[in-house]
Amino acid sequence: QKEVEQDPGPLSVPEGAIVSLNCTYSNSAFQYFMWYRQYSRKGPELLMYTYSSGNKEDGRFTAQVDKSSKYISLFIRDSQPSDSATYLCAMTGRDDKIIFGKGTRLHILP
Amino acid sequence: GAGVSQSPSNKVTEKGKDVELRCDPISGHTALYWYRQSLGQGLEFLIYFQGNSAPDKSGLPSDRFSAERTGGSVSTLTIQRTQQEDSAVYLCASSPSGEGDRYGYTFGSGTRLTVV
Repeated sequence: QKEVEQDPGPLSVPEGAIVSLNCTYSNSAFQYFMWYRQYSRKGPELLMYTYSSGNKEDGRFTAQVDKSSKYISLFIRDSQPSDSATYLCAMTGRDDKIIFGKGTRLHILP
Repeated sequence: GAGVSQSPSNKVTEKGKDVELRCDPISGHTALYWYRQSLGQGLEFLIYFQGNSAPDKSGLPSDRFSAERTGGSVSTLTIQRTQQEDSAVYLCASSPSGEGDRYGYTFGSGTRLTVV
């Protein structure tokens, strides 16, 4: 079993819809959770990071962590065509080595 | 610099040749990371530098791969005797102190390597 599982998609949704992106993980030592966004031919950029279980909101983006289920989510409200990108979840424990999911390709249809 | 700079942005090389990929991290960032991103494979960790030392080389796929960092700044990833399976995007990232859990990484745009 891989440490981090993420559905590669592609996921296509109409503009304005709520998007839900998810990852599961197996290592209970993971404490810090991140979401990166990667546009085509660009490097990933950090979108959000969280530490504890619960929700963290930043504008149209909400990151959710459920440590008991080893499940994290990223929600995008009022999705825009400019949100079309690959979204990678990432997480780390005490050793500071960040483990990435494979990424989910998201297409927002105008 | 303002961001992480990688060069070249694209590299096409013949099988068996050596290649050097360069990364110039954000000024003052002590930690530097190399990742490889292949289609459908996600980000594969290669090596981590803290200053000029590489405490974690566990991700280097074979002894054809090596990396160095000088002056706590620029890093070079060298691939000797390239093979077609080395074709991928090689990404470099840096962070202020290596505590990636708190800060996350800043990535460059990558070098797209194609071995023909």
